[in-house]
Amino acid sequence: DVKVTQSSRYLVKRTGEKVFLECVQDMDHENMFWYRQDPGLGLRLIYFSYDVKMKEKGDIPEGYSVSREKKERFSLILESASTNQTSMYLCASSSPGIQTQYFGPGTRLLVL
Amino acid sequence: DQQVKQNSPSLSVQEGRISILNCDYTNSMFDYFLWYKKYPAEGPTFLISISSIKDKNEDGRFTVFLNKSAKHLSLHIVPSQPGDSAVYFCAASADNQGAQKLVFGQGTRLTINP
Repeated sequence: DVKVTQSSRYLVKRTGEKVFLECVQDMDHENMFWYRQDPGLGLRLIYFSYDVKMKEKGDIPEGYSVSREKKERFSLILESASTNQTSMYLCASSSPGIQTQYFGPGTRLLVL
Repeated sequence: DQQVKQNSPSLSVQEGRISILNCDYTNSMFDYFLWYKKYPAEGPTFLISISSIKDKNEDGRFTVFLNKSAKHLSLHIVPSQPGDSAVYFCAASADNQGAQKLVFGQGTRLTINP
């Protein structure tokens, strides 16, 4: 069974803190994605990766960075958290040539 | 610029009746469309998809219709059940986006009333 896990379900951080969100998939997928979900805005792509050590900006990369040192793990980094980064963060993975993405349970981040 | 739009933020349907969720897109390069369902505090789960070479795809109670000329797709759920209450997202993909990126709509919250 396909599985994408995220390190935390809920996080509370202070403004200016560095925040790490971890995502692990066990499906040997090449592609991995980070989205944020906000009411009325749907899912917006932050960054994605199509191979180890490869990354590309999505639609809203500002204030974020990513790391993919191993195929199964994709990390999202908030260099200096701000209140407008309070959101639900969703990780997903997929195989090359396949549009269907499989999502993790999400991390709800609150930045105070 | 919102390339995929779900203009109804919410929809309320009686149990047993048909639910119709709508989605419009603007990018004519989109050639594959998906619907995802999301419960609160969970990640989206894939529901059904359709390629642009088809105009209909059916899977049990769920049918997706695609009207390419109108750049419109819809998801029909028949009959609607209480467990269908969730937020539904449509998504679109184009070959030229590499890594099969998806562009999502804003979502429609479906409530099935007993």
